Amino acid sequence: GQQVMQIPQYQHVQEGEDFTTYCNSSTTLSNIQWYKQRPGGHPVFLIQLVKSGEVKKQKRLTFQFGEAKKNSSLHITATQTTDVGTYFCASISGGSNYKLTFGKGTLLTVNP
Amino acid sequence: GAVVSQHPSWVICKSGTSVKIECRSLDFQATTMFWYRQFPKQSLMLMATSNEGSKATYEQGVEKDKFLINHASLTLSTLTVTSAHPEDSSFYICSARDPTAYNEQFFGPGTRLTVL
Repeated sequence: GQQVMQIPQYQHVQEGEDFTTYCNSSTTLSNIQWYKQRPGGHPVFLIQLVKSGEVKKQKRLTFQFGEAKKNSSLHITATQTTDVGTYFCASISGGSNYKLTFGKGTLLTVNP
Repeated sequence: GAVVSQHPSWVICKSGTSVKIECRSLDFQATTMFWYRQFPKQSLMLMATSNEGSKATYEQGVEKDKFLINHASLTLSTLTVTSAHPEDSSFYICSARDPTAYNEQFFGPGTRLTVL
């Protein structure tokens, strides 16, 4: 089945530093979604990318979808302690059920 | 965004008992709901896809007789862990797809199950 590989598994930064997590797939993805899960919480949808080369921004977060639609990245500029959590990429598989396949996630910790 | 509730938020039970977890979409009708399992510091693993009015579709390796899913209405899906054992202890999360919100899934707050 469709798989998305996500790196790094962990990232610890000083507050104010930038952070990037990457997702890669061996197959072309129809779309990529990004979620954030705070410690002890549940995943919260951040964004969906569907177009080749698409770039979307949400304040300090920048999301990119590769030209070949096989990779994606989430970049956070000037991290804050509120950014702490696990960031997951996910892709919807084909068919009518809209199943999500999640990457393993990147746990971001921020030192104040 | 749409709201999905889950009940209970946590449960502790004895080995051998069954536990039912409810997932409700509060402000939209969800024809499809999903059940995930998450172990500590791991990703979400899809267990099954629940479609209203039909049998659930289970992922490979998930025992359908152990994890009973019922999607009786457009706003409610239930997961029953039958004859629970300590290895079933995990964080169970449901999500619901709002067909009017293109491809976006809304997650419930999760249920932490501990089997003694």
